[in-house]
Amino acid sequence: EAQVTQNPRYLITVTGKKLTVTCSQNMNHEYMSWYRQDPGLGLRQIYYSMNVEVTDKGDVPEGYKVSRKEKRNFPLILESPSPNQTSLYFCASSSEPVIINEQFFGPGTRLTVL
Amino acid sequence: AQSVTQLGSHVSVSEGALVLLRCNYSSSVPPYLFWYVQYPNQGLQLLLKYTTGATLVKGINGFEAEFKKSETSFHLTKPSAHMSDAAEYFCAIFGNEKLTFGTGTRLTIIP
Repeated sequence: EAQVTQNPRYLITVTGKKLTVTCSQNMNHEYMSWYRQDPGLGLRQIYYSMNVEVTDKGDVPEGYKVSRKEKRNFPLILESPSPNQTSLYFCASSSEPVIINEQFFGPGTRLTVL
Repeated sequence: AQSVTQLGSHVSVSEGALVLLRCNYSSSVPPYLFWYVQYPNQGLQLLLKYTTGATLVKGINGFEAEFKKSETSFHLTKPSAHMSDAAEYFCAIFGNEKLTFGTGTRLTIIP
């Protein structure tokens, strides 16, 4: 089954404790992206990747890191989480060209930073 | 910069009634526009998209949207609402290698 998976689905942590949210897709997609969803703000892009070893900032990259060492994986790293990073996070992937191909979304990761 | 504005954060309609969710866009170039649906505790699913060509776009689950350049609008409609349509709906525009989403409209269906 074609899908985007994220782990964990739910996470409660404390300020400053490094964490990684994994994202994996099995569709051989070149493009992958991370979004955060906050009430009243919709989804905002954090980082995206056009292919292996190619990443770029989205609209709200502060406090986040990503890597793309393999085509299928695109982990999101929070080196020192803060309460304002409490949010619902979505990973998405798409084949090229991104402009006309559907982005497939993962199920989401709900992160709470205390 | 490209953007979309969704009018109405909450919309309620009776089962069987017309669904109309509003989206206006701002873009200096021909836009690529999308509607996504998010069911409770799930990720987003593409409903339909407008890239070029026919301005009336049909999507899944009986939804359609019409691109109106003169009104800079891309409103989502469905002739007859069903209980299963209850969800949050997002309009989005593509540019600079990313989707920019609206703030969402939560659709409630009244039995």
